[in-house]
Amino acid sequence: KNEVEQSPQNLTAQEGEFITINCSYSVGISALHWLQQHPGGGIVSLFMLSSGKKKHGRLIATINIQEKHSSLHITASHPRDSAVYICAVSKIAGNQFYFGTGTSLTVIP
Amino acid sequence: DTGVSQDPRHKITKRGQNVTFRCDPISEHNRLYWYRQTLGQGPEFLTYFQNEAQLEKSRLLSDRFSAERPKGSFSTLEIQRTEQGDSAMYLCASSFGIGNEQFFGPGTRLTVL
Repeated sequence: KNEVEQSPQNLTAQEGEFITINCSYSVGISALHWLQQHPGGGIVSLFMLSSGKKKHGRLIATINIQEKHSSLHITASHPRDSAVYICAVSKIAGNQFYFGTGTSLTVIP
Repeated sequence: DTGVSQDPRHKITKRGQNVTFRCDPISEHNRLYWYRQTLGQGPEFLTYFQNEAQLEKSRLLSDRFSAERPKGSFSTLEIQRTEQGDSAMYLCASSFGIGNEQFFGPGTRLTVL
């Protein structure tokens, strides 16, 4: 069983919709990361969380340490948000990432 | 700051050949990570360095794989006797210290025919 599980695997939304992507993990972590990957492979870090909530523009990320769960929300979605969103955790030692399988988001105009 | 760079961006090789990839991290970053991503999957950890020391290797890193970071700056990942199952995107990332954000390179896409 993967240590990081994401849902849904695929998501199609109409422009303007509110989007939620979920991530659950089963190990002790030092931080949880939300990443964005566009076609061609480049990965960009969106958020690094160890507690609470962070907001950047239309993106909001939350984490519940007790429940080992995080959510990424996109408000007023736009076609340029179409990408794969990946949840990753860094364990206490080493800091290497362990990744979920990603959520492929398509926002239709 | 030009970010993390990787070379080549694409590599096509025949089964049984050796390949080597290079990663240049952000200059002040002391940690460097290699990951592998197959189609439709999230990346998987391969190995990481702190300065020139290789501190951990995943069991995914078979004896055909070797990584070096000789001067604590750039790193190379070599795959010997490539197999079709090695076809993947090889990603490099770097960070400064523990617990900080990792910055990813564009990846090297390997295709083994």
